[in-house]
Amino acid sequence: QVHVVESGGGVVQPGGSLRLSCAASEFIFRNYAMQWVRQPPGKGLEWVAVISSDGNSKHYGDSVKGRVTISRDNSKNTIYLQLNSLRPEDTAVYYCAREVPWGDYWGQGALVTVSS
Amino acid sequence: DIQLTQSPSFLSASVGDRVTITCRASQGISSYLAWYQQKPGKAPKLLIFAASTLQSGVPSRFSGSGSGTEFTLTVSSLQPEDSATYFCQQLNDYPRTFGQGTKVEI
Repeated sequence: QVHVVESGGGVVQPGGSLRLSCAASEFIFRNYAMQWVRQPPGKGLEWVAVISSDGNSKHYGDSVKGRVTISRDNSKNTIYLQLNSLRPEDTAVYYCAREVPWGDYWGQGALVTVSS
Repeated sequence: DIQLTQSPSFLSASVGDRVTITCRASQGISSYLAWYQQKPGKAPKLLIFAASTLQSGVPSRFSGSGSGTEFTLTVSSLQPEDSATYFCQQLNDYPRTFGQGTKVEI
C-alpha cells in the first residue's frame, strides 16, 4: 500500500526558515512527480509546488514563489520543501501528495506555525 | 492563473437526497479537473479525476461531469458519512488551483 509521510513541521519565528520532508514508499518513487499543498487553519486548500520525477522541472504557487524551494532525492524516496522568509500567513498544515497529475495519495500533513 | 469558483459554499441536505456541487473555471480546462473530499483533521481524499472518472474504491453514488469551464460533482443518495468539505482542482496548467470548497452538512 502506498505510504506518504511528512515530517519537519514546528513553530518558527517570522523571517525564519524550515525544511519539510516527505518520505514515500510502496511505489516506484523515481517514476512520479510529487507536490506540496497547504491548508491554513479553518481555510481551503492552496497548491504550493510540484517537482517532476527526475527533479529537473519545478513549479511554484504565486504566494510562495521566491521563498520556497522544492527538491527530491530519489535514492531516499524523499522530497523536501525549504521554506524561507516565513510569514504568519504561511501558518498551515502542509501536505505532500503524489501527482499523476491529480493527487491520488496524500500524507497526513505537517503543521507549520509562524509566530513570535 | 486559472480561477475556480465553487457553488454553493455551504449545503445542508438530508440522508437520501441528491446533491450537486458546481465548479466553474475562469478559462477552458478541457477535462483536467479533479474532485476531493476532506473530513476534519484528515487529508483530502481523491474522488473523481479527469472530470468524470471515479477513483478506485469510491462509492458509485459519487459522479462527476463537465468539460471546458463548467463541472459538477453529484452525490446520488447522500449518506451520513458524506458529511465533509468538497474541493475541485484544475490540472490544466501551473500553478494548479483549487476551488474555495463546499461544506456539506447532513
